[in-house]
Amino acid sequence: GAVVSQHPSRVICKSGTSVKIECRSLDFQATTMFWYRQFPKQSLMLMATSNEGSKATYEQGVEKDKFLINHASLTLSTLTVTSAHPEDSSFYICSATDSYGYTFGSGTRLTVV
Amino acid sequence: DAKTTQPPSMDCAEGRAANLPCNHSTISGNEYVYWYRQIHSQGPQYIIHGLKNNETNEMASLIITEDRKSSTLILPHATLRDTAVYYCIVRPDRYGNKLVFGAGTILRVKS
Repeated sequence: GAVVSQHPSRVICKSGTSVKIECRSLDFQATTMFWYRQFPKQSLMLMATSNEGSKATYEQGVEKDKFLINHASLTLSTLTVTSAHPEDSSFYICSATDSYGYTFGSGTRLTVV
Repeated sequence: DAKTTQPPSMDCAEGRAANLPCNHSTISGNEYVYWYRQIHSQGPQYIIHGLKNNETNEMASLIITEDRKSSTLILPHATLRDTAVYYCIVRPDRYGNKLVFGAGTILRVKS
């Protein structure tokens, strides 16, 4: 089946620094990738949709200058949390889709100290 | 996309069938019912989807009422590893469009 690899699985960073999270579709080409954020005991909240070679579409209330998304190829999308602060600490999950459906990465636990 | 309503939590005895309901009374004719689950601290996992006929795969069965306003996900023999949050999502079967998650149902399988 389709596999999406997400790295890193856990990251701790200092407040004010930037963190990059990678999402790769390993055995298929993803026409579209999605990024979600999940706070403890809450559901997944869609942050943005990205298509290869074009600018990401952000959901209302998501700061596009803070959460930079790059979808440079059909198998790789990256999310960079810029100038991270403790309130950005969360579980970030990517999803990749092709004509067969949606596959999710295993998530990245970001802790900003 | 149509909204869904699920109970916040359910318990099930290990080895018994787990029946998870979902109400989607505003579903339109071209919308499918999807089920995903999320085990703690992992990404969601696809379970099953259907349009109007009942569906079965190696993981579960999906029963959709004739009027399509509600559905039930059935895990025939629940195990402790099935403890997870189960999400019912209604949407057109157009891949590439966003998948929006509701609150889901926390299923606790107990020994």
